[in-house]
This record gives sequence, C-alpha cells and structure tokens, in this order.
Amino acid sequence: DTAVSQTPKYLVTQMGNDKSIKCEQNLGHDTMYWYKQDSKKFLKIMFSYNNKELIINETVPNRFSPKSPDKAHLNLHINSLELGDSAVYFCASSHNRDSNGYTFGSGTRLTVV
Amino acid sequence: QQPVQSPQAVILREGEDAVINCSSSKALYSVHWYRQKHGEAPVFLMILLKGGEQKGHEKISASFNEKKQQSSLYLTASQLSYSGTYFCGTRGSGNTGKLIFGQGTTLQVKP
Repeated sequence: DTAVSQTPKYLVTQMGNDKSIKCEQNLGHDTMYWYKQDSKKFLKIMFSYNNKELIINETVPNRFSPKSPDKAHLNLHINSLELGDSAVYFCASSHNRDSNGYTFGSGTRLTVV
Repeated sequence: QQPVQSPQAVILREGEDAVINCSSSKALYSVHWYRQKHGEAPVFLMILLKGGEQKGHEKISASFNEKKQQSSLYLTASQLSYSGTYFCGTRGSGNTGKLIFGQGTTLQVKP
C-alpha cells in the first residue's frame, strides 16, 4: 500500500523526446507537489496543486506542464527534453494543515542522452 | 530565498552527538526537517511552527528560534541508521506557502 507512488522509477530517453511521469497518492491529502533534485542533491520546488488548482508555479520552462485530473493524481509532462532536464523528480503530498509534513514518492530518475 | 544549512557534512562514531543548523534570511512560518538515505525519497522527521518550541522524535529533536530565523536539529547518541542527508525546509507563509529546502547536510555514522 504505497502512500505516494510514481511511475516510472527510471526513464532514459533521447534529447527532443516528450515524456510523462505519473503520481498518485492514497493518503487523502489536499495538496500535491513536484520537486526536482539535481546531482548536487538540491531539492527545488517546481509546482504545487491544491485540490486540482495550481497554486505554485516556479520559474520552470514552459516545456514542463503539470496536470491534476483529481486531487489524488498529479502528472508531469515534459516536452522537447534537454540534457539539463536529467535529474530525479519527486512527487510529494501533504494535508492543508500546518502541522503536517510532506510524504514523498520514491522518485523518478530521468536521464536524457 | 534558500535557507543555509551548516555544517555541510559530519562524520561521527556511533554514540556521538551532532547538531545541524538551518538559517534563513526571511521571516519563517514553519521549519520542516527531513532525512534522505542514498537512492531513496526524503522522509519527514518533524515540523516546528513559530513559537520557539522544541520537538522530539526518538533521540532526534529540534528547536526553532523564529526571532533569529533559525532552527537546529539535535541527534543524540547517534546510530548507524542515522546516516543520510538531512534537509531543512522553510516556509515563509501559511499552510499553502512553498517549502524551500536547504542544500542538505550529509551525516555519516561509523561503527
């Protein structure tokens, strides 16, 4: 019973391709996030959705487009992949309450060649 | 504004103590602490809300000084399982404000 599940776990693709990463949470959380972790382990927020509504959209290239069909799902589509997109992408979720931490998915390691 | 963690890395022997600091240049609403083991996802340890409280989690505790915009994580009598990278995350506003992570502190506990 994985709380936050991401697929795929590994993704190797060529430059210029389009790919998607899926995320689902079964915790009943209201808010979901996408974070990017680079090779230096820096965790940077990309997007946040609260009950399917986009509430945080950091300075991310337009090639990245999140979609939340319902509050349990948050997918990330990336167009025209570039070498610099190689990283580990983490989905996370949390309740809309101050006392709650984030639950992270296991991550998707994206390698662009 | 990314919070700054110190030290960047710590090597300990089992049973030793460690302190990891997290400092922000902005007013903070809350501070989160996470631990990430190699190849795994970050795991939530605890959250501290403004009010200067100290919280505990087994032999790991933390404090939050909102006036100084700082938080510290205390690891007591460290165990091998404490090894990993510790991240603080800071939030400058309410419960839907973005959580910004520090650069991480790598902790290695040796037998």
